[in-house]
Amino acid sequence: EDQVTQSPEALRLQEGESSSLNCSYTVSGLRGLFWYRQDPGKGPEFLFTLYSAGEEKEKERLKATLTKKESFLHITAPKPEDSATYLCAVQVPGGGSQGNLIFGKGTKLSVKP
Amino acid sequence: DSGVTQTPKHLITATGQRVTLRCSPRSGDLSVYWYQQSLDQGLQFLIQYYNGEERAKGNILERFSAQQFPDLHSELNLSSLELGDSALYFCASSVLGADGNTIYFGEGSWLTVV
Repeated sequence: EDQVTQSPEALRLQEGESSSLNCSYTVSGLRGLFWYRQDPGKGPEFLFTLYSAGEEKEKERLKATLTKKESFLHITAPKPEDSATYLCAVQVPGGGSQGNLIFGKGTKLSVKP
Repeated sequence: DSGVTQTPKHLITATGQRVTLRCSPRSGDLSVYWYQQSLDQGLQFLIQYYNGEERAKGNILERFSAQQFPDLHSELNLSSLELGDSALYFCASSVLGADGNTIYFGEGSWLTVV
């Protein structure tokens, strides 16, 4: 079965302390890997799409990378406003019971000043 | 602002009742998705429509139904509501129903069943 696993479940950082979030996946066919940010009680906000191994994308303090088995979301010098849950989702072909976008459970990031 | 509009934002109703959640996709998007997110739970896929036709079905309860209209807006109908149906319901949309398309989410409809 297609599966997406995110680690760690929760991460507490001091402001300015860089770190990485991991998203590993086991899928039958990768069509794209997505990163979203979700604030409490809000809808997931789209951050990045990655399509092939070796691809990288950056946005402000965030950088997403992709290999054949996993993706990393690197956060450089985070600020308190970066606190949120970061969701990874993998798009697979077809429209099975999980839909074609399979989400991990997310990493809850807290950045303390 | 993702461009996906959901109404109502909040809804409180009693057990056994029926509610309808409405979604307007982003301009030009043909595909609409519905997800459920319970407290501290992940996003659970319910159903997907593409240009008015059902494309994929998740673990959607028989008490729930959805449709996409000719103008592409969608409605999720929840009936015989139970306490456990209390959750955030998200609508999302994408240009196509096929691979590689970014899916954008609305802000959600908070449903509380009392």
